[in-house]
Amino acid sequence: DAGVIQSPRHEVTEMGQEVTLRCKPISGHNSLFWYRQTMMRGLELLIYFNNNVPIDDSGMPEDRFSAKMPNASFSTLKIQPSEPRDSAVYFCASSLVTGELFFGEGSRLTVL
Amino acid sequence: DAKTTQPTSMDCAEGRAANLPCNHSTISGNEYVYWYRQIHSQGPQYIIHGLKNNETNEMASLIITEDRKSSTLILPHATLRDTAVYYCIVRVAEGYSTLTFGKGTMLLVSP
Repeated sequence: DAGVIQSPRHEVTEMGQEVTLRCKPISGHNSLFWYRQTMMRGLELLIYFNNNVPIDDSGMPEDRFSAKMPNASFSTLKIQPSEPRDSAVYFCASSLVTGELFFGEGSRLTVL
Repeated sequence: DAKTTQPTSMDCAEGRAANLPCNHSTISGNEYVYWYRQIHSQGPQYIIHGLKNNETNEMASLIITEDRKSSTLILPHATLRDTAVYYCIVRVAEGYSTLTFGKGTMLLVSP
C-alpha cells in the first residue's frame, strides 16, 4: 500500500492567495483527519471525517478554512485568503473507525 | 479524552533500553493508551496501544500499571533512528474518537 499521500509537499504563497492541500487516504479506510503542526501549538486536529461526512470541525480556526471529502479516496483543505499565521505543516491521516491513524508526510505551507 | 503527562526530554545510549514514562491518572475504563512517535520532518507513526494488559510488538513493549494510571513504553535496544518525539495519548476506542496530541517526550539516542 502506498500509504496516505499528500500534495503538495511544499507550498510557498503570498498573503491573500488561495491555498489548496490535497490528501489521498489509504484504500479501505473510512476515517480521515486533517491536523496542523506549528512550533507554538504543536499538533492540532482541524477536522475529522467518517464515511466522507464531517464529524468534528471544531478545530477549524475560522471561516477562511474549509475542508471537503467528495469521495472515499480524496480530500481537500482550502485556505482562502491565506495569512502568514497559517504557515505550518498540515498533516492528513486516515484510519478505520477504531483503528490506529496512519499519517502522510505532510504539506509544509509558508505564507509570505 | 483524558490528559497525559510526559517528561519533556530524555536521553538514551545507543543499544540500551529506552523507558519512556507516561502518567494518565484520569483515564477512564473505556480508554486505551496509545503511543505514537514523530521523527523530525515526518508524520507521526503509530507504535503500540493497550487497554490494561502489557503489549509487545516488533517495535516496542507497553507496560500499563494495574491501576492504569500510568504506563511505560520500552524500546528494548534503542538505535540512533529512534531519536524522535514520543507521544502518549489516551483515546476512547469505540465509536468516533480522535487523537489529541500533547507535547510528548523528545528522546535523544546518542552513540
